[in-house]
Amino acid sequence: KQEVTQIPAALSVPEGENLVLNCSFTDSAIYNLQWFRQDPGKGLTSLLLIQSSQREQTSGRLNASLDKSSGRSTLYIAASQPGDSATYLCAVKGSWGKLQFGAGTQVVVTP
Amino acid sequence: NAGVTQTPKFQVLKTGQSMTLQCAQDMNHEYMSWYRQDPGMGLRLIHYSVGAGITDQGEVPNGYNVSRSTTEDFPLRLLSAAPSQTSVYFCASSPRTYETYEQYFGPGTRLTVT
Repeated sequence: KQEVTQIPAALSVPEGENLVLNCSFTDSAIYNLQWFRQDPGKGLTSLLLIQSSQREQTSGRLNASLDKSSGRSTLYIAASQPGDSATYLCAVKGSWGKLQFGAGTQVVVTP
Repeated sequence: NAGVTQTPKFQVLKTGQSMTLQCAQDMNHEYMSWYRQDPGMGLRLIHYSVGAGITDQGEVPNGYNVSRSTTEDFPLRLLSAAPSQTSVYFCASSPRTYETYEQYFGPGTRLTVT
C-alpha cells in the first residue's frame, strides 16, 4: 500500500528565507506527483504537477523535484513571503487514478 | 468553465439523518472522486468513478454511497450520519483515469454531525 509522508509537519521561517518542503512515498509506481497549497478553511490549489518521467518542474518562485527511484520529492519556494503562509500537501497518483496524500506541512512566514 | 462545484458549503446534521453532497463539473472529465479531510490525516479517498455508470470504493467507503448517472455529476450520499463523519469533503475530477493529468478540486463541504 502506498504511503506518503511529509516532514516536517510544521515550519516557521523569517521572510526572505528559502523554503524546503519534503515529501516521500513508498511505492515508485506512480503516474505523477502533485503539490497543492491549502489556506485555512479553503480548498486545494494546485501548484505544480510533475510527471513520473520528469525530474523537476518550475513555476515562478516554485521549483519541485522528483526522484522516483528513491521515492522523494522536494518543493522549493524561493525568497519566502508572508503570503506563502499556508499548508502544503503533496499527492501521488497511482493505479485507478487514485491520489494518495501526505498529511501536509504547515508553513508560517514571519515578517 | 465553472470548474468543479460543490453544494452545500456547510451542513449540520443530527446523528442518523441522511443527506446528499452534490458535486458537478463542466469540463467533460472522465474521472471523478470524493475525499474527506480530517485534522492531521491528510485527504483520504472515499469513492471514485472512471466514467458514467462506473464507480468503486476507495480507502474509507463505509457509510457512504455514490452513483454516476451522467458525466457531469457525482453525488455522495450519507446513509445514516454518524459523528465520525464530521469532516471536510472534497470532490475532484480529472480528464482521464490513467493518463498523467492533474486533478482539479472543488471548494469543499464542511459537515458537522451532532
